[in-house]
Amino acid sequence: DGGITQSPKYLFRKEGQNVTLSCEQNLNHDAMYWYRQDPGQGLRLIYYSQIVNDFQKGDIAEGYSVSREKKESFPLTVTSAQKNPTAFYLCASSIEGGRYTEAFFGQGTRLTVV
Amino acid sequence: RKEVEQDPGPFNVPEGATVAFNCTYSNSASQSFFWYRQDCRKEPKLLMSVYSSGNEDGRFTAQLNRASQYISLLIRDSKLSDSATYLCVVEMIKAAGNKLTFGGGTRVLVKP
Repeated sequence: DGGITQSPKYLFRKEGQNVTLSCEQNLNHDAMYWYRQDPGQGLRLIYYSQIVNDFQKGDIAEGYSVSREKKESFPLTVTSAQKNPTAFYLCASSIEGGRYTEAFFGQGTRLTVV
Repeated sequence: RKEVEQDPGPFNVPEGATVAFNCTYSNSASQSFFWYRQDCRKEPKLLMSVYSSGNEDGRFTAQLNRASQYISLLIRDSKLSDSATYLCVVEMIKAAGNKLTFGGGTRVLVKP
């Protein structure tokens, strides 16, 4: 079945450590996105990528990094520079271009930094 | 001012009643509009796109008012299963790619 997979579902890290969240899709989508969601809040865009080897900063990119070496994969690294990393992280993908492009989400990764 | 704003609610709705809520957006160049549904601790899923002429999908009706820069969602004959957070989404098509901006969500609680 086609879909978008995030792993792990829950992640605990010590403060000051970098951590990488995985996002893989087999939908053959060109566009991929990372969002952060805090309790009771909406989604805020961290990074997005429309094509392999290219990505753009979203609204809250500071303290995060991404890579897009393969079409299927868009991993997100939460660095020690991110001051408040505990949150729910959602990865999404969509077909590139045109209007009314539906975004498909993975099940999310809940990151807790202690 | 936030790009996309929603009343966070919660809207407490008796089962079978009608509920409606709006979402305002600040960028008049926004091109496409959506409502997503998010259940507690789950990922968002597309509920419906919002077209200029307004559109309906079963008990759900979405409207777009470009002059006043808002979209609306109306739920008729509310079911217990409609309890969720409804996220307004605005799409901008840019040279660097499509950018989807989410509102903070409106929480709806349908009660027996």
